[in-house]
Amino acid sequence: AQKITQTQPGMFVQEKEAVTLDCTYDTSDQSYGLFWYKQPSSGEMIFLIYQGSYDEQNATEGRYSLNFQKARKSANLVISASQLGDSAMYFCAMRVGLSGSARQLTFGSGTQLTVLP
Amino acid sequence: GAVVSQHPSRVICKSGTSVKIECRSLDFQATTMFWYRQFPKKSLMLMATSNEGSKATYEQGVEKDKFLINHASLTLSTLTVTSAHPEDSSFYICSATKSSGGAPGELFFGEGSRLTVL
Repeated sequence: AQKITQTQPGMFVQEKEAVTLDCTYDTSDQSYGLFWYKQPSSGEMIFLIYQGSYDEQNATEGRYSLNFQKARKSANLVISASQLGDSAMYFCAMRVGLSGSARQLTFGSGTQLTVLP
Repeated sequence: GAVVSQHPSRVICKSGTSVKIECRSLDFQATTMFWYRQFPKKSLMLMATSNEGSKATYEQGVEKDKFLINHASLTLSTLTVTSAHPEDSSFYICSATKSSGGAPGELFFGEGSRLTVL
Protein backbone atom coordinates (compact mmCIF):
# COMPACT_ATOMS: atom_id res chain seq x y z
CA ALA A 1 0.00 0.00 0.00
CA GLN A 2 1.08 3.56 -0.62
CA LYS A 3 1.08 6.33 1.92
CA ILE A 4 1.75 10.05 1.77
CA THR A 5 2.42 12.03 4.93
CA GLN A 6 2.26 15.78 5.27
CA THR A 7 3.06 16.72 8.85
CA GLN A 8 2.34 20.45 8.62
CA PRO A 9 -1.40 21.17 8.83
CA GLY A 10 -0.70 24.89 8.53
CA MET A 11 2.21 27.10 7.57
CA PHE A 12 2.76 30.85 7.55
CA VAL A 13 5.28 32.70 5.44
CA GLN A 14 6.07 36.33 4.91
CA GLU A 15 5.51 37.70 1.44
CA LYS A 16 8.63 37.44 -0.75
CA GLU A 17 10.18 34.82 1.52
CA ALA A 18 10.74 31.18 0.57
CA VAL A 19 8.83 28.35 2.22
CA THR A 20 9.24 24.58 2.30
CA LEU A 21 6.27 22.26 2.56
CA ASP A 22 7.15 18.79 3.77
CA CYS A 23 6.08 15.50 2.22
CA THR A 24 7.23 11.97 2.92
CA TYR A 25 6.02 8.88 1.15
CA ASP A 26 6.05 5.16 1.53
CA THR A 27 5.88 2.60 -1.24
CA SER A 28 7.53 -0.66 -2.12
CA ASP A 29 7.25 0.06 -5.84
CA GLN A 30 10.38 1.14 -7.69
CA SER A 31 8.46 3.13 -10.28
CA TYR A 32 6.37 5.98 -8.96
CA GLY A 33 5.64 9.63 -9.49
CA LEU A 34 5.27 12.41 -6.98
CA PHE A 35 3.03 15.40 -7.50
CA TRP A 36 2.22 18.64 -5.82
CA TYR A 37 -1.13 20.33 -6.26
CA LYS A 38 -2.45 23.68 -5.08
CA GLN A 39 -6.09 23.98 -4.07
CA PRO A 40 -7.35 27.53 -3.53
CA SER A 41 -10.62 28.19 -1.73
CA SER A 42 -12.48 27.81 -5.03
CA GLY A 43 -11.72 24.09 -4.88
CA GLU A 44 -10.00 23.49 -8.18
CA MET A 45 -6.87 21.36 -8.12
CA ILE A 46 -3.96 23.12 -9.80
CA PHE A 47 -1.03 20.95 -10.86
CA LEU A 48 2.28 22.47 -9.78
CA ILE A 49 5.12 20.05 -10.27
CA TYR A 50 5.99 16.42 -10.90
CA GLN A 51 8.97 14.22 -10.03
CA GLY A 52 9.47 10.72 -11.37
CA SER A 53 11.22 8.15 -9.24
CA TYR A 54 13.95 7.69 -11.84
CA ASP A 55 14.52 11.40 -12.41
CA GLU A 56 17.99 12.28 -11.21
CA GLN A 57 17.50 16.02 -11.22
CA ASN A 58 15.10 17.80 -8.90
CA ALA A 59 12.08 19.12 -10.75
CA THR A 60 11.63 22.87 -11.08
CA GLU A 61 8.73 24.89 -12.47
CA GLY A 62 9.15 28.63 -12.14
CA ARG A 63 9.01 29.50 -8.44
CA TYR A 64 8.32 25.90 -7.50
CA SER A 65 11.00 23.31 -6.96
CA LEU A 66 10.82 19.83 -5.57
CA ASN A 67 13.52 18.71 -3.17
CA PHE A 68 13.56 14.99 -3.95
CA GLN A 69 15.51 12.84 -1.51
CA LYS A 70 14.88 9.28 -2.57
CA ALA A 71 16.78 7.58 0.24
CA ARG A 72 14.75 9.52 2.79
CA LYS A 73 11.56 9.08 0.77
CA SER A 74 10.85 12.76 0.92
CA ALA A 75 9.59 15.15 -1.74
CA ASN A 76 9.39 18.58 -0.21
CA LEU A 77 7.98 21.50 -2.17
CA VAL A 78 9.91 24.74 -2.09
CA ILE A 79 8.13 27.94 -3.07
CA SER A 80 10.47 30.85 -3.61
CA ALA A 81 9.50 34.52 -3.37
CA SER A 82 6.07 33.84 -1.89
CA GLN A 83 3.15 35.87 -3.15
CA LEU A 84 -0.18 36.61 -1.52
CA GLY A 85 -1.84 34.51 -4.22
CA ASP A 86 0.09 31.48 -3.02
CA SER A 87 -2.19 31.23 0.01
CA ALA A 88 -4.00 27.94 -0.48
CA MET A 89 -4.08 24.29 0.51
CA TYR A 90 -1.20 22.27 -0.89
CA PHE A 91 -1.39 18.53 -1.46
CA CYS A 92 1.41 16.09 -2.06
CA ALA A 93 0.39 13.00 -3.99
CA MET A 94 1.87 9.82 -5.36
CA ARG A 95 1.09 7.51 -8.21
CA VAL A 96 2.76 4.14 -8.48
CA GLY A 97 3.44 2.37 -11.75
CA LEU A 98 4.87 3.40 -15.06
CA SER A 99 4.23 6.91 -16.31
CA GLY A 100 1.47 7.15 -18.87
CA SER A 101 -0.57 4.38 -17.33
CA ALA A 102 -3.89 5.45 -15.94
CA ARG A 103 -3.46 5.00 -12.22
CA GLN A 104 -5.00 6.89 -9.39
CA LEU A 105 -3.25 9.28 -7.05
CA THR A 106 -2.90 8.84 -3.32
CA PHE A 107 -3.03 12.18 -1.55
CA GLY A 108 -1.52 13.47 1.66
CA SER A 109 -3.61 15.33 4.22
CA GLY A 110 -2.56 18.71 2.91
CA THR A 111 -0.87 21.83 4.25
CA GLN A 112 -2.72 25.13 4.48
CA LEU A 113 -0.27 27.86 3.50
CA THR A 114 -0.93 31.46 4.43
CA VAL A 115 1.23 34.21 2.97
CA LEU A 116 1.38 37.27 5.17
CA PRO A 117 1.73 40.77 3.71
CA GLY B 1 -3.73 22.88 -22.40
CA ALA B 2 -5.94 19.95 -21.53
CA VAL B 3 -9.15 20.80 -19.72
CA VAL B 4 -11.51 18.70 -17.69
CA SER B 5 -14.88 20.26 -16.99
CA GLN B 6 -17.35 19.35 -14.26
CA HIS B 7 -20.99 20.29 -14.10
CA PRO B 8 -22.70 21.44 -12.00
CA SER B 9 -20.20 23.29 -9.85
CA ARG B 10 -22.73 23.62 -7.04
CA VAL B 11 -25.92 21.74 -6.38
CA ILE B 12 -28.38 21.79 -3.53
CA CYS B 13 -30.98 19.07 -3.33
CA LYS B 14 -33.53 17.64 -0.96
CA SER B 15 -32.91 14.46 0.93
CA GLY B 16 -34.04 11.41 -1.05
CA THR B 17 -33.47 12.86 -4.49
CA SER B 18 -30.77 11.83 -6.96
CA VAL B 19 -28.10 14.11 -8.34
CA LYS B 20 -26.00 13.61 -11.46
CA ILE B 21 -22.53 15.16 -11.83
CA GLU B 22 -20.84 15.22 -15.21
CA CYS B 23 -17.14 15.12 -15.92
CA ARG B 24 -15.98 15.91 -19.44
CA SER B 25 -12.55 15.95 -21.00
CA LEU B 26 -12.81 18.84 -23.45
CA ASP B 27 -9.84 18.42 -25.72
CA PHE B 28 -8.53 14.91 -25.19
CA GLN B 29 -9.77 11.36 -24.92
CA ALA B 30 -9.79 9.76 -21.50
CA THR B 31 -10.29 6.02 -21.29
CA THR B 32 -10.03 6.32 -17.53
CA MET B 33 -11.42 8.90 -15.18
CA PHE B 34 -11.26 8.99 -11.41
CA TRP B 35 -13.81 10.25 -8.92
CA TYR B 36 -12.68 11.67 -5.61
CA ARG B 37 -14.56 12.93 -2.60
CA GLN B 38 -13.29 15.64 -0.32
CA PHE B 39 -14.68 16.67 3.05
CA PRO B 40 -14.00 20.23 4.32
CA LYS B 41 -10.35 20.79 5.20
CA LYS B 42 -9.59 17.17 4.39
CA SER B 43 -7.73 15.27 1.73
CA LEU B 44 -9.08 13.80 -1.48
CA MET B 45 -10.26 10.23 -1.14
CA LEU B 46 -10.57 8.07 -4.23
CA MET B 47 -14.08 6.74 -4.64
CA ALA B 48 -13.89 4.86 -7.91
CA THR B 49 -12.10 4.44 -11.19
CA SER B 50 -14.31 4.92 -14.21
CA ASN B 51 -13.40 2.94 -17.32
CA GLU B 52 -14.91 3.73 -20.71
CA GLY B 53 -17.16 0.95 -21.87
CA SER B 54 -16.92 -1.15 -18.73
CA LYS B 55 -17.99 -1.17 -15.11
CA ALA B 56 -16.38 1.18 -12.67
CA THR B 57 -13.99 -0.09 -10.03
CA TYR B 58 -15.00 1.07 -6.58
CA GLU B 59 -12.75 1.56 -3.58
CA GLN B 60 -13.41 -0.37 -0.42
CA GLY B 61 -16.23 1.11 1.60
CA VAL B 62 -17.84 3.00 -1.31
CA GLU B 63 -21.39 1.88 -2.00
CA LYS B 64 -21.83 0.99 -5.66
CA ASP B 65 -25.59 1.38 -5.53
CA LYS B 66 -25.32 4.78 -3.88
CA PHE B 67 -22.73 6.23 -6.22
CA LEU B 68 -23.51 5.14 -9.77
CA ILE B 69 -20.76 5.77 -12.29
CA ASN B 70 -21.19 5.64 -16.04
CA HIS B 71 -18.42 6.19 -18.57
CA ALA B 72 -20.30 6.04 -21.83
CA SER B 73 -17.77 7.76 -24.06
CA LEU B 74 -14.10 8.68 -24.17
CA THR B 75 -14.91 12.21 -23.05
CA LEU B 76 -17.69 11.82 -20.51
CA SER B 77 -18.09 10.14 -17.14
CA THR B 78 -21.04 10.72 -14.84
CA LEU B 79 -21.45 10.22 -11.11
CA THR B 80 -25.00 9.87 -9.83
CA VAL B 81 -25.61 10.14 -6.11
CA THR B 82 -28.81 8.19 -5.61
CA SER B 83 -31.28 8.87 -2.81
CA ALA B 84 -28.98 11.53 -1.42
CA HIS B 85 -28.82 12.17 2.32
CA PRO B 86 -27.18 14.99 4.27
CA GLU B 87 -24.12 12.82 4.97
CA ASP B 88 -23.51 12.70 1.19
CA SER B 89 -22.89 16.43 1.23
CA SER B 90 -19.33 16.89 0.06
CA PHE B 91 -17.02 18.18 -2.65
CA TYR B 92 -16.73 15.73 -5.53
CA ILE B 93 -13.83 16.03 -7.97
CA CYS B 94 -13.12 14.10 -11.12
CA SER B 95 -9.82 13.68 -12.88
CA ALA B 96 -8.64 12.20 -16.14
CA THR B 97 -5.41 11.10 -17.74
CA LYS B 98 -4.83 11.42 -21.44
CA SER B 99 -5.13 8.11 -23.20
CA SER B 100 -1.94 8.87 -25.03
CA GLY B 101 0.61 11.59 -25.01
CA GLY B 102 0.66 14.32 -22.41
CA ALA B 103 3.44 15.28 -20.04
CA PRO B 104 4.62 12.41 -17.87
CA GLY B 105 2.54 11.94 -14.79
CA GLU B 106 0.08 14.71 -15.41
CA LEU B 107 -3.44 14.20 -14.30
CA PHE B 108 -6.10 16.77 -15.13
CA PHE B 109 -8.75 17.69 -12.59
CA GLY B 110 -12.21 19.09 -13.03
CA GLU B 111 -13.27 22.17 -11.11
CA GLY B 112 -15.17 20.10 -8.58
CA SER B 113 -18.85 19.92 -7.65
CA ARG B 114 -20.08 20.94 -4.24
CA LEU B 115 -23.13 18.94 -3.22
CA THR B 116 -25.34 20.05 -0.36
CA VAL B 117 -28.17 17.76 0.67
CA LEU B 118 -30.83 19.38 2.82
